[in-house]
Amino acid sequence: AQKVTQAQTEISVVEKEDVTLDCVYETRDTTYYLFWYKQPPSGELVFLIRRNSFDEQNEISGRYSWNFQKSTSSFNFTITASQVVDSAVYFCALSEGRTGNQFYFGTGTSLTVIP
Amino acid sequence: NAGVTQTPKFRVLKTGQSMTLLCAQDMNHEYMYWYRQDPGMGLRLIHYSVGEGTTAKGEVPDGYNVSRLKKQNFLLGLESAAPSQTSVYFCASSYSGRGVVAGELFFGEGSRLTVL
Repeated sequence: AQKVTQAQTEISVVEKEDVTLDCVYETRDTTYYLFWYKQPPSGELVFLIRRNSFDEQNEISGRYSWNFQKSTSSFNFTITASQVVDSAVYFCALSEGRTGNQFYFGTGTSLTVIP
Repeated sequence: NAGVTQTPKFRVLKTGQSMTLLCAQDMNHEYMYWYRQDPGMGLRLIHYSVGEGTTAKGEVPDGYNVSRLKKQNFLLGLESAAPSQTSVYFCASSYSGRGVVAGELFFGEGSRLTVL
């Protein structure tokens, strides 16, 4: 079973629109960590955020915000006023406390921001 | 500040050839990983290591071997390359410490391998 599901394979938005990338995870652990990574067309993987299971407070960083809801096992990522530079593949990942730092990645969402 | 360095960046192999990908990190991280990335499949864990001299299988270990003889290096070997191993390979490392089970992964730039 997939531990991290990113149901949106590809999303296209027009510049300045807001966009939300969905991430649903599955774990039986009470201690776990969630991550988002960005992979721009150049190919490198860029860390965006880490959230632990005991901290459900939403986070905002500039145009980026993250909504963590344990009740629905979701960790969604919203980009406000999207820009062309936001075009990338975005990966959500889960690390469970009991597995000694194994990370499970979703299949990614490819975001295209159209100028 | 090199971070995580992978060599080589590109390689073309013929079926049956062998090769080794080298990953080096200068952040004194305990944990190191090898992932492969294929279209539509995200990142899949091949092998990982939680410390010098230790290795463990990940999700897709078949056809690969690894070694962690030094803390800073994690080698990925293909003994007899197959076309199904054509992929982009990423090495990563992460830290652990008091109160931190999972630090974020620091990735290398990737190695594109083509097996003909």
